[in-house]
Amino acid sequence: GAGVSQSPRYKVAKRGQDVALRCDPISGHVSLFWYQQALGQGPEFLTYFQNEAQLDKSGLPSDRFFAERPEGSVSTLKIQRTQQEDSAVYLCASSLYRGREETQYFGPGTRLLVL
Amino acid sequence: GQQLNQSPQSMFIQEGEDVSMNCTSSSIFNTWLWYKQEPGEGPVLLIALYKAGELTSNGRLTAQFGITRKDSFLNISASIPSDVGIYFCAGPREDDMRFGAGTRLTVKP
Repeated sequence: GAGVSQSPRYKVAKRGQDVALRCDPISGHVSLFWYQQALGQGPEFLTYFQNEAQLDKSGLPSDRFFAERPEGSVSTLKIQRTQQEDSAVYLCASSLYRGREETQYFGPGTRLLVL
Repeated sequence: GQQLNQSPQSMFIQEGEDVSMNCTSSSIFNTWLWYKQEPGEGPVLLIALYKAGELTSNGRLTAQFGITRKDSFLNISASIPSDVGIYFCAGPREDDMRFGAGTRLTVKP
């Protein structure tokens, strides 16, 4: 398919474990966004890449969260020393150009449960 | 945190009924977007509004961008069971996107 894909779809982690969540954006899309969606809430912005440059990481909740997009395509969101409050769905979205008013296409998300 | 207030939080309607939901903000947005999210999936864009006062339709869906640029509504006419899902309003802010908390729609056949 030509859509945004994310893996794994589900992840169960023990508290304190590190996790890595992968996003494959639509081929050729310049902008990539990560969002966190808590149960019953709308997505909340975490970070934004334009190609390989991380232009905004103001939404990352703590320094345990780290995102990268080294070659300007695939991105990884890493959470170190996971805590129970990190349990959420992590959504990735991409857009063809700079994301501000461009249509963002979302992946299916990774549902993270920290026990 | 969320800057967009959506109402109602949930709706239970009969198939065939019309639906109306809205979104308000204390801040001005230059673009309003409406997304639908189904269980286990990411949000899918339904309608994008770019001008204050703009009224846009997409099939049975109609959305309007308020004149003040601080509100928007979404109407769904003649609802069908596959309309079930959570509807989010969203607005771009600088380099991010702000979402409302969503309106959960249930359609009874």
